[in-house]
Amino acid sequence: DAKTTQPPSMDCAEGRAANLPCNHSTISGNEYVYWYRQIHSQGPQYIIHGLKNNETNEMASLIITEDRKSSTLILPHATLRDTAVYYCIVRVGGSQGNLIFGKGTKLSVKP
Amino acid sequence: DAGVTQSPTHLIKTRGQQVTLRCSPKSGHDTVSWYQQALGQGPQFIFQYYEEEERQRGNFPDRFSGHQFPNYSSELNVNALLLGDSALYLCASRPWGVSNSPLHFGNGTRLTVT
Repeated sequence: DAKTTQPPSMDCAEGRAANLPCNHSTISGNEYVYWYRQIHSQGPQYIIHGLKNNETNEMASLIITEDRKSSTLILPHATLRDTAVYYCIVRVGGSQGNLIFGKGTKLSVKP
Repeated sequence: DAGVTQSPTHLIKTRGQQVTLRCSPKSGHDTVSWYQQALGQGPQFIFQYYEEEERQRGNFPDRFSGHQFPNYSSELNVNALLLGDSALYLCASRPWGVSNSPLHFGNGTRLTVT
Protein backbone atom coordinates (compact mmCIF):
# COMPACT_ATOMS: atom_id res chain seq x y z
CA ASP A 1 0.00 0.00 0.00
CA ALA A 2 1.03 3.56 -0.65
CA LYS A 3 2.57 5.31 2.35
CA THR A 4 1.38 8.77 1.33
CA THR A 5 -1.80 10.82 1.61
CA GLN A 6 -2.67 13.60 -0.84
CA PRO A 7 -5.76 15.73 -1.44
CA PRO A 8 -7.70 14.36 -4.41
CA SER A 9 -7.86 17.68 -6.24
CA MET A 10 -6.60 21.27 -6.22
CA ASP A 11 -7.02 24.37 -8.36
CA CYS A 12 -4.41 27.00 -9.13
CA ALA A 13 -4.52 30.24 -11.12
CA GLU A 14 -2.20 30.47 -14.09
CA GLY A 15 1.00 32.31 -13.20
CA ARG A 16 0.63 31.70 -9.48
CA ALA A 17 2.60 29.21 -7.42
CA ALA A 18 1.05 25.77 -7.00
CA ASN A 19 1.73 24.18 -3.62
CA LEU A 20 0.89 20.50 -3.48
CA PRO A 21 0.95 18.90 -0.01
CA CYS A 22 1.72 15.30 0.90
CA ASN A 23 1.63 13.46 4.20
CA HIS A 24 3.95 10.52 4.82
CA SER A 25 3.86 10.11 8.58
CA THR A 26 5.18 6.51 8.56
CA ILE A 27 8.25 7.24 6.46
CA SER A 28 11.45 5.56 7.60
CA GLY A 29 14.78 7.29 7.99
CA ASN A 30 16.32 6.09 4.72
CA GLU A 31 13.23 6.30 2.49
CA TYR A 32 13.17 8.93 -0.22
CA VAL A 33 10.18 11.01 -1.32
CA TYR A 34 9.56 11.18 -5.07
CA TRP A 35 7.18 13.32 -7.08
CA TYR A 36 5.83 12.40 -10.49
CA ARG A 37 3.11 13.84 -12.63
CA GLN A 38 0.95 12.29 -15.30
CA ILE A 39 -0.69 14.22 -18.07
CA HIS A 40 -3.68 12.53 -19.64
CA SER A 41 -2.78 9.50 -21.77
CA GLN A 42 0.94 9.78 -21.10
CA GLY A 43 3.30 7.91 -18.81
CA PRO A 44 4.27 9.39 -15.44
CA GLN A 45 6.97 12.05 -15.68
CA TYR A 46 9.64 12.34 -12.99
CA ILE A 47 9.75 15.75 -11.30
CA ILE A 48 12.02 15.66 -8.24
CA HIS A 49 13.02 13.58 -5.23
CA GLY A 50 14.64 14.13 -1.84
CA LEU A 51 15.53 12.58 1.49
CA LYS A 52 15.54 15.34 4.09
CA ASN A 53 16.99 18.48 2.55
CA ASN A 54 14.96 20.81 0.37
CA GLU A 55 15.58 20.26 -3.31
CA THR A 56 15.14 22.45 -6.39
CA ASN A 57 15.46 21.79 -10.09
CA GLU A 58 14.26 23.42 -13.29
CA MET A 59 10.75 22.08 -12.84
CA ALA A 60 9.94 22.48 -9.15
CA SER A 61 11.01 22.75 -5.54
CA LEU A 62 10.52 20.11 -2.86
CA ILE A 63 10.18 21.18 0.73
CA ILE A 64 10.42 18.39 3.33
CA THR A 65 9.55 19.13 6.96
CA GLU A 66 12.21 18.59 9.59
CA ASP A 67 10.43 15.54 11.02
CA ARG A 68 10.04 14.22 7.43
CA LYS A 69 6.38 13.43 8.01
CA SER A 70 5.19 15.69 5.22
CA SER A 71 6.39 17.51 2.14
CA THR A 72 5.24 20.12 -0.36
CA LEU A 73 5.89 20.28 -4.07
CA ILE A 74 6.05 23.84 -5.37
CA LEU A 75 5.55 24.79 -9.01
CA PRO A 76 6.66 28.44 -8.89
CA HIS A 77 4.70 29.79 -11.85
CA ALA A 78 1.99 27.37 -12.91
CA THR A 79 0.94 27.24 -16.55
CA LEU A 80 -2.00 25.52 -18.23
CA ARG A 81 0.40 22.76 -19.29
CA ASP A 82 0.97 21.90 -15.63
CA THR A 83 -2.57 20.55 -15.39
CA ALA A 84 -2.01 16.89 -14.47
CA VAL A 85 -2.27 14.28 -11.72
CA TYR A 86 0.63 14.69 -9.29
CA TYR A 87 1.85 11.66 -7.34
CA CYS A 88 3.82 11.82 -4.11
CA ILE A 89 5.59 8.52 -3.50
CA VAL A 90 7.75 7.09 -0.75
CA ARG A 91 10.21 4.56 -2.14
CA VAL A 92 10.13 1.41 -0.02
CA GLY A 93 12.44 -1.56 -0.16
CA GLY A 94 15.71 0.32 -0.11
CA SER A 95 17.59 2.05 -2.92
CA GLN A 96 16.53 -0.67 -5.41
CA GLY A 97 12.94 -0.65 -4.27
CA ASN A 98 10.07 0.17 -6.57
CA LEU A 99 7.64 3.04 -6.49
CA ILE A 100 4.22 2.35 -4.99
CA PHE A 101 1.75 4.90 -6.35
CA GLY A 102 -1.32 6.22 -4.58
CA LYS A 103 -4.17 8.06 -6.28
CA GLY A 104 -2.41 11.42 -6.47
CA THR A 105 -3.71 14.98 -6.63
CA LYS A 106 -5.47 16.24 -9.74
CA LEU A 107 -4.13 19.79 -10.24
CA SER A 108 -6.19 22.03 -12.49
CA VAL A 109 -4.50 25.25 -13.58
CA LYS A 110 -7.07 27.81 -14.63
CA PRO A 111 -6.62 30.95 -16.78
CA ASP B 1 18.69 9.98 -26.66
CA ALA B 2 15.57 7.84 -26.90
CA GLY B 3 13.57 7.42 -23.76
CA VAL B 4 11.57 4.33 -22.81
CA THR B 5 9.68 3.01 -25.81
CA GLN B 6 6.75 0.61 -25.73
CA SER B 7 4.90 -1.31 -28.41
CA PRO B 8 2.23 -1.53 -29.50
CA THR B 9 0.52 1.67 -28.35
CA HIS B 10 -2.95 0.15 -28.49
CA LEU B 11 -4.19 -3.43 -28.53
CA ILE B 12 -7.58 -5.14 -28.50
CA LYS B 13 -7.87 -8.75 -27.39
CA THR B 14 -10.66 -11.17 -26.60
CA ARG B 15 -11.22 -12.72 -23.19
CA GLY B 16 -9.18 -15.92 -22.79
CA GLN B 17 -6.49 -14.90 -25.28
CA GLN B 18 -2.84 -14.24 -24.52
CA VAL B 19 -0.96 -10.98 -25.11
CA THR B 20 2.69 -9.88 -25.25
CA LEU B 21 3.75 -6.29 -24.68
CA ARG B 22 7.24 -5.00 -25.40
CA CYS B 23 9.52 -2.41 -23.88
CA SER B 24 12.92 -0.94 -24.71
CA PRO B 25 14.54 0.87 -21.79
CA LYS B 26 16.16 4.27 -21.88
CA SER B 27 19.74 4.22 -23.12
CA GLY B 28 22.11 3.34 -20.27
CA HIS B 29 19.41 1.68 -18.17
CA ASP B 30 19.50 -2.02 -17.31
CA THR B 31 16.53 -2.45 -14.97
CA VAL B 32 12.94 -2.64 -16.18
CA SER B 33 9.72 -2.48 -14.18
CA TRP B 34 6.16 -3.02 -15.35
CA TYR B 35 3.04 -1.32 -14.00
CA GLN B 36 -0.67 -1.70 -14.64
CA GLN B 37 -2.88 1.39 -14.50
CA ALA B 38 -6.64 0.96 -14.47
CA LEU B 39 -8.80 3.91 -15.42
CA GLY B 40 -8.84 6.56 -12.71
CA GLN B 41 -6.26 4.77 -10.56
CA GLY B 42 -2.55 5.17 -9.91
CA PRO B 43 -0.13 2.71 -11.51
CA GLN B 44 0.17 -0.65 -9.72
CA PHE B 45 3.57 -2.40 -9.62
CA ILE B 46 3.65 -5.77 -11.39
CA PHE B 47 7.33 -6.82 -11.36
CA GLN B 48 10.91 -5.73 -11.90
CA TYR B 49 13.63 -7.35 -14.01
CA TYR B 50 17.39 -7.03 -13.72
CA GLU B 51 20.06 -9.26 -15.27
CA GLU B 52 17.29 -11.23 -16.98
CA GLU B 53 15.77 -12.28 -13.66
CA GLU B 54 12.61 -11.23 -11.89
CA ARG B 55 13.81 -9.37 -8.81
CA GLN B 56 10.65 -8.07 -7.22
CA ARG B 57 6.97 -8.80 -7.76
CA GLY B 58 3.78 -7.07 -6.79
CA ASN B 59 0.44 -8.67 -5.98
CA PHE B 60 -0.37 -10.04 -9.42
CA PRO B 61 -1.33 -13.63 -10.36
CA ASP B 62 0.91 -16.03 -12.24
CA ARG B 63 -0.99 -15.23 -15.44
CA PHE B 64 1.33 -12.23 -15.56
CA SER B 65 4.85 -13.17 -16.54
CA GLY B 66 7.81 -11.41 -18.01
CA HIS B 67 11.15 -11.73 -19.63
CA GLN B 68 14.25 -9.60 -20.01
CA PHE B 69 16.66 -10.03 -22.88
CA PRO B 70 20.46 -9.57 -22.92
CA ASN B 71 20.01 -6.13 -24.54
CA TYR B 72 17.88 -5.14 -21.46
CA SER B 73 14.62 -4.96 -23.40
CA SER B 74 11.66 -6.68 -21.81
CA GLU B 75 8.34 -8.35 -22.49
CA LEU B 76 5.21 -8.61 -20.40
CA ASN B 77 2.99 -11.60 -21.09
CA VAL B 78 -0.54 -12.02 -19.84
CA ASN B 79 -2.33 -15.36 -20.29
CA ALA B 80 -6.03 -16.17 -20.13
CA LEU B 81 -7.07 -12.55 -20.41
CA LEU B 82 -9.93 -11.29 -18.28
CA LEU B 83 -12.07 -8.23 -18.83
CA GLY B 84 -10.45 -6.75 -15.72
CA ASP B 85 -7.04 -6.84 -17.40
CA SER B 86 -8.09 -3.89 -19.54
CA ALA B 87 -5.70 -1.13 -18.55
CA LEU B 88 -2.74 1.01 -19.52
CA TYR B 89 0.44 -1.03 -19.12
CA LEU B 90 3.49 1.06 -18.33
CA CYS B 91 7.13 0.14 -18.59
CA ALA B 92 9.77 2.02 -16.62
CA SER B 93 13.55 1.79 -16.53
CA ARG B 94 16.49 2.93 -14.44
CA PRO B 95 20.15 2.05 -13.90
CA TRP B 96 20.53 -0.62 -11.20
CA GLY B 97 23.88 0.60 -10.00
CA VAL B 98 22.75 4.14 -9.16
CA SER B 99 21.17 4.26 -5.71
CA ASN B 100 17.72 5.85 -5.54
CA SER B 101 17.74 6.68 -9.23
CA PRO B 102 14.29 7.72 -10.48
CA LEU B 103 12.24 5.53 -12.78
CA HIS B 104 11.71 6.78 -16.31
CA PHE B 105 8.39 5.75 -17.81
CA GLY B 106 7.22 5.09 -21.34
CA ASN B 107 3.81 6.22 -22.55
CA GLY B 108 2.34 2.76 -22.19
CA THR B 109 0.30 0.23 -24.10
CA ARG B 110 -3.46 0.58 -23.87
CA LEU B 111 -4.92 -2.93 -23.68
CA THR B 112 -8.63 -3.47 -24.17
CA VAL B 113 -10.09 -6.91 -23.46
CA THR B 114 -13.54 -7.57 -24.93
